[in-house]
Amino acid sequence: QVRLVQSGAEVKKPGSSVKVSCKTSGGPFSSYAVTWVRQAPGQGLEWMGGIIPLYGTDDYAQKFQGRITITADKFTNTSYMELSSLTSEDSAVYYCAELARFSVGVHYHYGMDVWGQGTTVTVSS
Amino acid sequence: EIVMTQSPATLSVSPGERATLSCRASQSVSSNLAWYQQKPGQAPRLLIYGAFTRATGIPARFSGSGSGTDFTLTISSLQSEDFAVYYCQQYKNWPPITFGQGTRVEIK
Repeated sequence: QVRLVQSGAEVKKPGSSVKVSCKTSGGPFSSYAVTWVRQAPGQGLEWMGGIIPLYGTDDYAQKFQGRITITADKFTNTSYMELSSLTSEDSAVYYCAELARFSVGVHYHYGMDVWGQGTTVTVSS
Repeated sequence: EIVMTQSPATLSVSPGERATLSCRASQSVSSNLAWYQQKPGQAPRLLIYGAFTRATGIPARFSGSGSGTDFTLTISSLQSEDFAVYYCQQYKNWPPITFGQGTRVEIK
């Protein structure tokens, strides 16, 4: 069974950057895309962006445009999410998830069917 | 950006009873909607995609319905392991993907 294993917790200073990794176990990325979702303490889920490893195409939520970069290394089966210019509001659990594409009749549908365990990022002076 | 609104924020239900959760989109998403379950300290789990198709391994007591702007997740007979937070998510013409704010299902 595919698992996503994320890097460990991080503590960062305001204004700095963080880079979180997400590695598949058991082979290459098996789904259509890898997405990144974060969850601030006691809050809901927030989609940050994603990448289609096969094509290397990436897209980001407008909120993070300009300070987020998501990459996927097909040779190491690892995705990275780097977020810069950190503030205390970026303190959250960061998840990677595989976005599967399902064929339903003539349509495609999507769902995040495999998740990493989450990486806690704390931004504090 | 399509805004997803879930109601109620909290739903108190007794074990064995039916739970009905609602999700409304600010504009039509057709059937491009998924539901997730999240328990404390865990990553979310995919329940439903395409508005009504259960993901692999999801029990039949979970069902999804709706299209356009109004969607429902029904849990037919709540089990103890179903008490959790549930999120709807739209993916029509993503990016972006957007989530609702969640509905907490608690024991009555």
